Amino acid sequence: GAGVSQSPRYKVTKRGQDVTLRCDPISSHATLYWYQQALGQGPEFLTYFNYEAQPDKSGLPSDRFSAERPEGSISTLTIQRTEQRDSAMYRCASSQSGIGELFFGEGSRLTVL
Amino acid sequence: GESVGLHLPTLSVQEGDNSIINCAYSNSASDYFIWYKQESGKGPQFIIDIRSNMDKRQGQRVTVLLNKTVKHLSLQIAATQPGDSAVYFCAENANTGNQFYFGTGTSLTVIP
Repeated sequence: GAGVSQSPRYKVTKRGQDVTLRCDPISSHATLYWYQQALGQGPEFLTYFNYEAQPDKSGLPSDRFSAERPEGSISTLTIQRTEQRDSAMYRCASSQSGIGELFFGEGSRLTVL
Repeated sequence: GESVGLHLPTLSVQEGDNSIINCAYSNSASDYFIWYKQESGKGPQFIIDIRSNMDKRQGQRVTVLLNKTVKHLSLQIAATQPGDSAVYFCAENANTGNQFYFGTGTSLTVIP
């Protein structure tokens, strides 16, 4: 696509529910990133993919968080048994080669009640 | 509107003045740095990058300076305009993978 697309843009859920966020990167981009951004703070690295490989998931806050990119294009970030502290903006970014400009999507704002 | 976090540094400048935004990084192995601009309600946008084999790089109205000795990065914006009002982040990469780590950010307000 022309840019990085994320869905849903807004998600409100109740504590304990599972949520899945989706990212559709720029079509030629090999590398895809997930970041968590709290209000007034910088993006916090969660994980990244080179095509379908996931070399680093050390930034995932707990085992309730998981990400997939099974075909090396679209990626999903799943949060199981959501907690209020999971409320944040979740940003996806992609880059052509992994070293260079990251193109960010508009983000998915998650609110856990 | 959204409130700013308590620890977000702020900088206010008059339109037309030059702005300098600073960033300290902690990983001495970091060898590639990017400055991003984030406007309210939007995702971060690339401004300029620099590799560790350089100490200065210039773009259009922006200059990035890198001091590896003290692990310090700065972004200079010439003739600051109201459209420059945003939060600015530096991001670092340590060449041990593709991970980019972002700093806290600085909120720049340009006064017309």
